[in-house]
Amino acid sequence: DAGVIQSPRHEVTEMGQEVTLRCKPISGHNSLFWYRQTMMRGLELLIYFNNNVPIDDSGMPEDRFSAKMPNASFSTLKIQPSEPRDSAVYFCASNLGTSGYNEQFFGPGTRLTVL
Amino acid sequence: AQKVTQAQTEISVVEKEDVTLDCVYETRDTTYYLFWYKQPPSGELVFLIRRNSFDEQNEISGRYSWNFQKSTSSFNFTITASQVVDSAVYFCALSERGGSEKLVFGKGTKLTVNP
Repeated sequence: DAGVIQSPRHEVTEMGQEVTLRCKPISGHNSLFWYRQTMMRGLELLIYFNNNVPIDDSGMPEDRFSAKMPNASFSTLKIQPSEPRDSAVYFCASNLGTSGYNEQFFGPGTRLTVL
Repeated sequence: AQKVTQAQTEISVVEKEDVTLDCVYETRDTTYYLFWYKQPPSGELVFLIRRNSFDEQNEISGRYSWNFQKSTSSFNFTITASQVVDSAVYFCALSERGGSEKLVFGKGTKLTVNP
């Protein structure tokens, strides 16, 4: 079975441009998570969905960030307008979302550079 | 609030040495889950192990072993007879209500195994 798929793998854009990151979770997984990794802040959760519904978006830095999950097999994270401080690796992860301690499976990440 | 501390920022060992990576956590919940992930130089996050708060039994998997002690809020990871391929950043993470909920990560420990 394919793992979590993210696209693009690398994105270079200029400040002020809109950026859209995409994620396809593992089939059958009910929870989806977006994380951001930077040297300064490490790995931090931005938002997560359960059964396509956003559950906790307290980690979304500001209104410039938005995330959607229109169906069980697709999610987007959008930054508009982008700023240089948004440069980071963005990971998408998914898991079964059932009660109990299910591990999260991570995608390969999208490395975003905002010039 | 949840918190995970990995006090060792970087560790360097010579191949075949044993090495222990420390993880100390804070939580107010009585039910929680602990995880270790590996991030090799290629950048992906690889799940290694999970443990729930009710199971203090230590675990061994090949050269890897984990020591969970609730009394000291620690979940340490030992690699026996380290190999160059073990070089990576290792993250300890905590979830308070199972893997469906968000993971709080430590800052990671960068392990370098020299030949």
